[in-house]
Amino acid sequence: EAEVAQSPRYKITEKSQAVAFWCDPISGHATLYWYRQILGQGPELLVQFQDESVVDDSQLPKDRFSAERLKGVDSTLKIQPAELGDSAMYLCASSFGTSGRTGNEQFFGPGTRLTVL
Amino acid sequence: SQQGEEDPQALSIQEGENATMNCSYKTSINNLQWYRQNSGRGLVHLILIRSNEREKHSGRLRVTLDTSKKSSSLLITASRAADTASYFCATDSGGYNKLIFGAGTRLAVHP
Repeated sequence: EAEVAQSPRYKITEKSQAVAFWCDPISGHATLYWYRQILGQGPELLVQFQDESVVDDSQLPKDRFSAERLKGVDSTLKIQPAELGDSAMYLCASSFGTSGRTGNEQFFGPGTRLTVL
Repeated sequence: SQQGEEDPQALSIQEGENATMNCSYKTSINNLQWYRQNSGRGLVHLILIRSNEREKHSGRLRVTLDTSKKSSSLLITASRAADTASYFCATDSGGYNKLIFGAGTRLAVHP
């Protein structure tokens, strides 16, 4: 069964360092999402791609976070510099959705647990 | 920002009992989805109900939607220990399939 892949699964870093997370969505899924989930809360969307284009990054702290999906397949989320408040689970999801369509279930990867010391 | 609010925040029941979780939201929606998350793992899609639907079933799951009250409920019948997880509702209110998640209900099913 096809799955969304993420790496690393766990990352410990010191504040002010740079970190990067990688996501490989399910083959054929045009839409890719990065979420941040703080312990005890629901996921919050950081950025959404349709193919290689960003369609929503309204909640992405752009002074320190960046995301790219250069060929419209896999994606990287970067934080530079990391802050203590960035400690969270970072989840990637994908869906078989085209621009403007709604009602598609999202398939989630296992997440990357980030701890900033 | 989170649109959905789940109630209760935590629920503890015995195996075989039914579990009911509620979700309220603020703005009009295209559809509402329920997801399950086992501890420290990714989310798994359970069921999607569109704004023009009132009830939907999938196995032991029953979801209702009342758009006039802006609320939904998830019923799990004959709960099993393996149902122990957090359950989230998520609303889709616009284009591009953007979901806004609630804070979730933590369900514990005891053998």
